[in-house]
Formats: sequence, C-alpha cells, structure tokens
Amino acid sequence: AQSVTQLDSQVPVFEEAPVELRCNYSSSVSVYLFWYVQYPNQGLQLLLKYLSGSTLVKGINGFEAEFNKSQTSFHLRKPSVHISDTAEYFCAVIISSGSARQLTFGSGTQLTVLP
Amino acid sequence: ETGVTQTPRHLVMGMTNKKSLKCEQHLGHNAMYWYKQSAKKPLELMFVYSLEERVENNSVPSRFSPECPNSSHLFLHLHTLQPEDSALYLCASSERLLMTGGNTYGYTFGSGTRLTVV
Repeated sequence: AQSVTQLDSQVPVFEEAPVELRCNYSSSVSVYLFWYVQYPNQGLQLLLKYLSGSTLVKGINGFEAEFNKSQTSFHLRKPSVHISDTAEYFCAVIISSGSARQLTFGSGTQLTVLP
Repeated sequence: ETGVTQTPRHLVMGMTNKKSLKCEQHLGHNAMYWYKQSAKKPLELMFVYSLEERVENNSVPSRFSPECPNSSHLFLHLHTLQPEDSALYLCASSERLLMTGGNTYGYTFGSGTRLTVV
C-alpha cells in the first residue's frame, strides 16, 4: 500500500485564485509530513513540514498546510496564486525502512497557474 | 544554488557506454542519497549513504553502482543501461540520517542530472 497519495496529478488554476493540493497518507506511517516544490529543471525545495504541535503549518511563498489526523490528510493551500507558483508539488512522509527512517514521496501534482 | 551540485546537468548515453554522475555538497552533511525521478511516478530512493557507508540499497539493478569516497562527494556509475533508465537523477543530502529526535529532517536537493539512454 502506498504511504502517501496525491489525488490530483494536474491542477490548473487562474492567477489570484485560491488553490488546494490534496495529500493523504497511510495511517500506519509516522506522522512527519512535508511538502516540496520542484520548479522546471530544478531539484526539490522544502515548502513546509509538520513534525508536531500546531496542525496549521505555514511555509514559504505564502503556502500553508493543515494536518488532519482523523482524515489522514495534509492538504496544501494558498489563498491567491501567482504565475510563478507554476511547478510540481510533492507531498512526502517519513517511513521506517531498514536501519533508518526515510523520506517517501507521492507521485506529485503539477500546478499550472493561468493568466 | 542550493549547496548540492550535480554534474552533468544533461547526459545522453548509448546502452553500451559507461558514464558517471557526480554529486557534491559542502554543507557539512553526513548523509547523502540518490533518487530516480521518472515521469508520472513517485520519486524512487535508490541509495543511502551515511558517513561514507552505504546504508540502504533499494533493490537497484547492478548496472547502477554508487560510490561515496568522502562525506562531500557521491557518484553514480552507470554501465549497460536500458532505455527505461532514462530519468532525472536527483542527489540529496541531510545533516544526518533520519532518526528519532534531534533532527530537523531537512533534505537539500541538487538540480539533478537529466539522463537519456538511446
């Protein structure tokens, strides 16, 4: 069973509109959750992370995510997107594997912001 | 620049060629990773190194051979690859392996090497 699922492979949205990128995780994994962004021809950059404490996490570039334990979700939101937010977004979780815990990624959501 | 540098940025190789990918970090990190990113698939963890010792090898074919000569450098040696090995290969580093407690769980990624096998 997949540890983390991103339900939408592509999300088109108009500039200045709000956006939500969905992420659900397996309840059997440790609840350390992350969102990464990958701009074209670049590596992954950490947007935000939830390790403990407040369930609403604020990240860079105006993004935020809410940890919902009962729904096993960690959706990413931004109230008003810009063209420059066009990128691929990856949800990730920590799982235990062998001698170390490892970061495991979802399949990604391509966010395209339209003018 | 993120602090993790990968070279080359692009590589085209034939199935009988031998080539190497290089990753370098001067962040003082002790753990380094190779990931494979194929279109429409989740990132696949290939290898994990901690303090120059291989910790994990996630069932990667032997045509991929990693090398970690020191904590700042990581190589991925390639030979007799298949067209399905074409992908973006990402290197990452972290302060230490992800263990319980005392870790910010921060990974720093390089920009990747776009590999095409013809």
